[in-house]
Amino acid sequence: DAGVIQSPRHEVTEMGQEVTLRCKPISGHNSLFWYRQTMMRGLELLIYFNNNVPIDDSGMPEDRFSAKMPNASFSTLKIQPSEPRDSAVYFCASTVGGPYEQYFGPGTRLTVT
Amino acid sequence: DQQVKQNSPSLSVQEGRISILNCDYTNSMFDYFLWYKKYPAEGPTFLISISSIKDKNEDGRFTVFLNKSAKHLSLHIVPSQPGDSAVYFCAASGGNKLVFGAGTILRVKS
Repeated sequence: DAGVIQSPRHEVTEMGQEVTLRCKPISGHNSLFWYRQTMMRGLELLIYFNNNVPIDDSGMPEDRFSAKMPNASFSTLKIQPSEPRDSAVYFCASTVGGPYEQYFGPGTRLTVT
Repeated sequence: DQQVKQNSPSLSVQEGRISILNCDYTNSMFDYFLWYKKYPAEGPTFLISISSIKDKNEDGRFTVFLNKSAKHLSLHIVPSQPGDSAVYFCAASGGNKLVFGAGTILRVKS
């Protein structure tokens, strides 16, 4: 299996622009998680899906952030409008069953100028 | 409110010696604990875990210890190797998601 796939790997955009991050989980995994990593806050959970349904989005920082999972093999995280403080590495992870041994993608490094 | 804390931002160890990474948690409802390792430009990878019904779990050079009364866990790496140099995240679960610590950078010097 190719593992969790994320695209793009790097994204540089200007403040105010819309940013869309993409994730393809491992085939057969039914739980998908979006995380953000920053120096200040470490690795924080933004939202997670189970069987394509959002279960907990309490970590989404504000209304500018939205996430969708239209099917079992694809998810997006959108930021609109983007701000410099959104600059971070965004990870997608998937697992089957419980939240335990999650498999992470390589991440998307987002820079908002 | 940081429920999982890794108070040492970094640790430097000589090759062949023991590395000990520490983690404290505040939520007594956590019942499963994990360690992840992360190399630069890669996502975290699962390393080892322990259930709250145990106090020790070993996997090769890696051992995790859990002290529930102190709400403390630690990861021991013996012997440490240069390839172990990475960021180590402690994580805890009490339900349907993981809570991660901020990470500890381990440097193993040869």
